[in-house]
Amino acid sequence: DAKTTQPPSMDCAEGRAANLPCNHSTISGNEYVYWYRQIHSQGPQYIIHGLKNNETNEMASLIITEDRKSSTLILPHATLRDTAVYYCIVRVSGNTPLVFGKGTRLSVIA
Amino acid sequence: KAGVTQTPRYLIKTRGQQVTLSCSPISGHRSVSWYQQTPGQGLQFLFEYFSETQRNKGNFPGRFSGRQFSNSRSEMNVSTLELGDSALYLCASGPAVSSTNEKLFFGSGTQLSVL
Repeated sequence: DAKTTQPPSMDCAEGRAANLPCNHSTISGNEYVYWYRQIHSQGPQYIIHGLKNNETNEMASLIITEDRKSSTLILPHATLRDTAVYYCIVRVSGNTPLVFGKGTRLSVIA
Repeated sequence: KAGVTQTPRYLIKTRGQQVTLSCSPISGHRSVSWYQQTPGQGLQFLFEYFSETQRNKGNFPGRFSGRQFSNSRSEMNVSTLELGDSALYLCASGPAVSSTNEKLFFGSGTQLSVL
């Protein structure tokens, strides 16, 4: 079973920041937080991952709380192409499978 | 680099038949994972292969099997198809440097319909 809790859906205005929350209150010290997204009719796409420090790449930023029990994925300037289902996953290492939950369906509105 | 290639893109079979799906990973990648996606169960892990060996296996019946070839290409087979096997089957490849896969790259999947 997935070890994360995400809201089922969210809306965001185009050009605004999209902040997607994820709760992982039972996360272990050696588990990473991963984010993937799935645009309709495509396979999931890796976005970002982190252990305890905040991370940023060209796609997004990942903010992990100090107690590591929750995190937020930030898309700084959402576009219509960011409309997708976003999955937050906790994972021990790259050797273990990805366990997907139901994710958050983000709708970016013009 | 070419992405992950899955063939065929669409497939229609009848109950009781068997099916083989193919996945070509990104050049240089040695790990291939398979996932099943259905509206009811979401994305579920089937199995993972690394250097021709099954490294992880999900909770699926023995009708689901797979293999990986020396060139890292992978196939999965489903025998005695059931209506519930209708799903999008996704393949993901990873570089598996030092046996870790920080990023997985997914193909667009094979949409299997069982009638």
